[in-house]
Amino acid sequence: EADIYQTPRYLVIGTGKKITLECSQTMGHDKMYWYQQDPGMELHLIHYSYGVNSTEKGDLSSESTVSRIRTEHFPLTLESARPSHTSQYLCASSESHVVGQETQYFGPGTRLLVL
Amino acid sequence: GESVGLHLPTLSVQEGDNSIINCAYSNSASDYFIWYKQESGKGPQFIIDIRSNMDKRQGQRVTVLLNKTVKHLSLQIAATQPGDSAVYFCADHGTSYGKLTFGQGTILTVHP
Repeated sequence: EADIYQTPRYLVIGTGKKITLECSQTMGHDKMYWYQQDPGMELHLIHYSYGVNSTEKGDLSSESTVSRIRTEHFPLTLESARPSHTSQYLCASSESHVVGQETQYFGPGTRLLVL
Repeated sequence: GESVGLHLPTLSVQEGDNSIINCAYSNSASDYFIWYKQESGKGPQFIIDIRSNMDKRQGQRVTVLLNKTVKHLSLQIAATQPGDSAVYFCADHGTSYGKLTFGQGTILTVHP
């Protein structure tokens, strides 16, 4: 079992609300990632971080933002949620002790529904 | 959100049969490959990995085969059980440091 946690697991909110999805890991991994996944579909990388104070946009354009102030914490924020943001958001982390063999470990995901 | 990707292919097998799930990758520079299993309502879970200097690796009831010539990866599950029902994703590590590229995924359904 990977020690990576996401809260909340499920969230139903109204349009225009600001939300923050939490992700934390206790493995001391330097790299962390956010993916977006619609039901029965592929994973799309939306943000990643190489370490503290490092954030990068992923392959899929997203209106969300992330921060990495502490190694173990990588929250994702939506300033104004819209129904198009309805999806599952998966957080992952990896360590780089062996370059090129970085297994990513995933959290359980947050299912977001914007009404 | 809007579904911009493809719907996943499916594989149905009987309990006890062997399953083979295939994956194609595009980056010839990829040097590390991982298979993940994702059960309904959960995040992807690591199953097995393989480096590009190998063409076969075995785990418990699972075997991964890598054919770099045609950029193809397969996951074989022996004596498939109902608990193996899930979506299976392959992922490869290319030139982007630390980033994985995920394949399309396959829905495996095991019938008792």
